[in-house]
Order: sequence, then structure tokens, then C-alpha cells
Amino acid sequence: DAGITQSPRHKVTETGTPVTLRCHQTENHRYMYWYRQDPGHGLRLIHYSYGVKDTDKGEVSDGYSVSRSKTEDFLLTLESATSSQTSVYFCAISAGSTDTQYFGPGTRLTVL
Amino acid sequence: GIQVEQSPPDLILQEGANSTLRCNFSDSVNNLQWFHQNPWGQLINLFYIPSGTKQNGRLSATTVATERYSLLYISSSQTTDSGVYFCAVSGTFNAGGTSYGKLTFGQGTILTVHP
Repeated sequence: DAGITQSPRHKVTETGTPVTLRCHQTENHRYMYWYRQDPGHGLRLIHYSYGVKDTDKGEVSDGYSVSRSKTEDFLLTLESATSSQTSVYFCAISAGSTDTQYFGPGTRLTVL
Repeated sequence: GIQVEQSPPDLILQEGANSTLRCNFSDSVNNLQWFHQNPWGQLINLFYIPSGTKQNGRLSATTVATERYSLLYISSSQTTDSGVYFCAVSGTFNAGGTSYGKLTFGQGTILTVHP
């Protein structure tokens, strides 16, 4: 499982509140990704990181920000959560020269 | 961006049957991966296969990059094969002198294997 954990695993929050999801890896991989999974949309890339303090936007980045102050942690923040951000969020890492991706267990977020 | 289309969207099998899942993509890719999402939501990487053929037990995959498609074969299916199968592709690009990929996923094929 490439040593990837996500926290929390489940969260229910209210519209307008800030939320931070954490992805932690233990194997010192350089590249990390945040995806969201919604019915009818598959998985879509939110943000990614190619090193400490090096991040960039993905396909659906509006309303999200990320930070990576240490190699092992990649944080996803919803500054002011909306109901449209109710989703399952997956973190992934790229391993090896082939960019083979391995996923964490996911976080189910519900915004009421 | 690259479009990824998977077929069929749903597939129902009896245990022991064989199946073929297809992934079409709209542009040249340097990276193609197949994933299985089990009924508990965990995503498992099955193959990294931007071209050629690979086999892993009862599963095998073939990618014909020049014709922009990939096939995933499941033989002698088991109930544990149930779940959603995703194809994902990317090109590569440079940041800070190092290349890496961003995956674009297809919608998936929902496979149900009955005992």
C-alpha cells in the first residue's frame, strides 16, 4: 500500500466551515496527488505536488488549496466548504520512474 | 485534455467466465495504468502498461498505443474480482527538470461476478 494514510477517514461538516485533510506517506516519495471521486465523474485531479513547497493545480482546483511543508505530508484545505465539495477524497503517490500511482484509503467528506 | 472512454460501463458475469474491458483514449500517452476499486473503496494498481502486453495471474493487459486503446482481460473470474475497473492515462511534462504524470481517469467499468 506504499505506506499512505489519510486522516480523517470520515468527516461531516457544515457549509462555510474550513476543512483540512491530511495525507501522510512513509516512503519519501517526491510526487503526491489529491483526487476527488464523484458518481458519474470517476476520479479527478485537484492538486499535485512535485516536491516540498512545489505544488500546482489540477483539473478541479477551484475552492481548494494545498500545502507541502514536509516530504511526508500533503494537506488539502477547503477554505469554506460547500455542498458541492461533498465527495470521497483520495491521496496518491507516484513511485519509481514509471509514475505508477498508489492510492491511500480515502476520506469521505460530507458538507451539510 | 485527453479523453478516456471505457466500455462496457457495466458487466455481469457468472464465476468462471472470461471478460474483456476496453479503454480508448483520444491522444498519445506516455503512461497508462489500470486500477481495481474493490467494494470497500480501495484503489489497487493492477498494471502500468503504456504499450505492450503484461500478465499477472488471471489478469492480463494489452495496450496498442498507435491505435489508442488498451484491453484488460480477466480469465476464470471470481467473486473477488467484483468492483470497478478504471483506466487512467497521462502525458508527461517537466517541472524543475524532472518529468512526472497527471492521470486522467475513465468513468470505469462496474464488474459484478455472481457465484
